[in-house]
Amino acid sequence: LAKTTQPISMDSYEGQEVNITCSHNNIATNDYITWYQQFPSQGPRFIIQGYKTKVTNEVASLFIPADRKSSTLSLPRVSLSDTAVYYCLVGAHGSSNTGKLIFGQGTTLQVKP
Amino acid sequence: EADIYQTPRYLVIGTGKKITLECSQTMGHDKMYWYQQDPGMELHLIHYSYGVNSTEKGDLSSESTVSRIRTEHFPLTLESARPSHTSQYLCASRRSTGADYGYTFGSGTRLTVV
Repeated sequence: LAKTTQPISMDSYEGQEVNITCSHNNIATNDYITWYQQFPSQGPRFIIQGYKTKVTNEVASLFIPADRKSSTLSLPRVSLSDTAVYYCLVGAHGSSNTGKLIFGQGTTLQVKP
Repeated sequence: EADIYQTPRYLVIGTGKKITLECSQTMGHDKMYWYQQDPGMELHLIHYSYGVNSTEKGDLSSESTVSRIRTEHFPLTLESARPSHTSQYLCASRRSTGADYGYTFGSGTRLTVV
């Protein structure tokens, strides 16, 4: 399973764009990159998933360079409610996966007024 | 609207008691998981199941046990609770085929053993 490295914490202000970068140097060919968000006393919530280039949904964008050794989660115009822990996970897709994803320490994002 | 349900949400129990944490999902997912998480710390996989009658231990050793008699139900049992079992327990499920949208987590059970 590919190990991921991301900053322990980040601070931002309301209305700013936040970019959280995750390193995954040992990513395998069939691995996808998935980001989760977790609020205190709740389970993690799926945000976005991608394999290469750029993926965008109503919540965030995910940028993946050609070598796929890193990825960047972009949150546009954050609000106080975006204060949470963000996890980057790498693992195989669909039926080929073992399902055993490893959650690291994640990045604690603090959004200030 | 939650598709995976955990009960109870909070539980305070005395040492030595037997407890079962319930987890049910309505999505028909084959794969289900139990994670343990202490406040401010990482999630650790303690059990998982690939389908009915399939259970495996996770990466973190745990004194708990699980069963998977029905696809939708994946309860976790502690035969004799101890203060060291105090933690948050999170249940998750994931589809095995088709489009993969990652894990769906329940809201968790916060267990306190006194």
